Amino acid sequence: GESVGLHLPTLSVQEGDNSIINCAYSNSASDYFIWYKQESGKGPQFIIDIRSNMDKRQGQRVTVLLNKTVKHLSLQIAATQPGDSAVYFCAENTDYGQNFVFGPGTRLSVLP
Amino acid sequence: DAGVIQSPRHEVTEMGQEVTLRCKPISGHNSLFWYRQTMMRGLELLIYFNNNVPIDDSGMPEDRFSAKMPNASFSTLKIQPSEPRDSAVYFCASSRRALTYNEQFFGPGTRLTVL
Repeated sequence: GESVGLHLPTLSVQEGDNSIINCAYSNSASDYFIWYKQESGKGPQFIIDIRSNMDKRQGQRVTVLLNKTVKHLSLQIAATQPGDSAVYFCAENTDYGQNFVFGPGTRLSVLP
Repeated sequence: DAGVIQSPRHEVTEMGQEVTLRCKPISGHNSLFWYRQTMMRGLELLIYFNNNVPIDDSGMPEDRFSAKMPNASFSTLKIQPSEPRDSAVYFCASSRRALTYNEQFFGPGTRLTVL
C-alpha cells in the first residue's frame, strides 16, 4: 500500500472511542475546506466539507469544526471503527473549489 | 459511474525514458487536476484544467513535465526525460466546476518508479 508520509502524525484510538483529528491551515483568506480520507493504495476520498460562513457541520458519524480566529479545523469521528483506519487530510482553497492546498495528513490507527 | 480512471496503475521505467500517464475524468465533470504524492512532500497540485484549458500549471516542477487535455474525457501527463526523483504516486482528480464550491473526486493513482 501507499505510505504517504515518513513522519506523519499518528493518532491511535480504541475501537468504539471517538477520534479527533486536527488541522492548522495557512491562509486566512481560505473560505472552503474539505476533509479527505486516504486508505492504503487508494486515492483520497471526500468525507465532509465546510464553508467559512459556518463553524460546524455534521455528517454520518463525522463532524467538522472550523475556528477561523485561530485558523484551525478539526474532524471528529464518532464510535471509531477498524474501517476508519487511514490517513486523513484537510484541504483549503479560496477559489470557488478549484485550487486546493492539502495539509500533511494524520494517520489514524484503530486498535481492536 | 466508474469514477476517475487512471492508467497504468503501476509503471517502472529507467532514467531517461519517456513516461505517459493517462486519465479519464468522470463524465460530466469539466475540471481536471493532476497531483503528485511523495513521502517527503505530501500531496501537491501540478496542474488543473477547466473545460480542457490549462488554468494553472505553476505546480509543474520542470519543463520535463507536460500535460494535455485534448477533449473532455481524456488527459495525459508526460515526463520526458524521466528521473529517479520523479518516482511518486500521481493522482488525477475531476470535479464539476460551478460558481459554488465543489469537491474533487480522485482516481486510484499511478505509482511511478524511475530506476
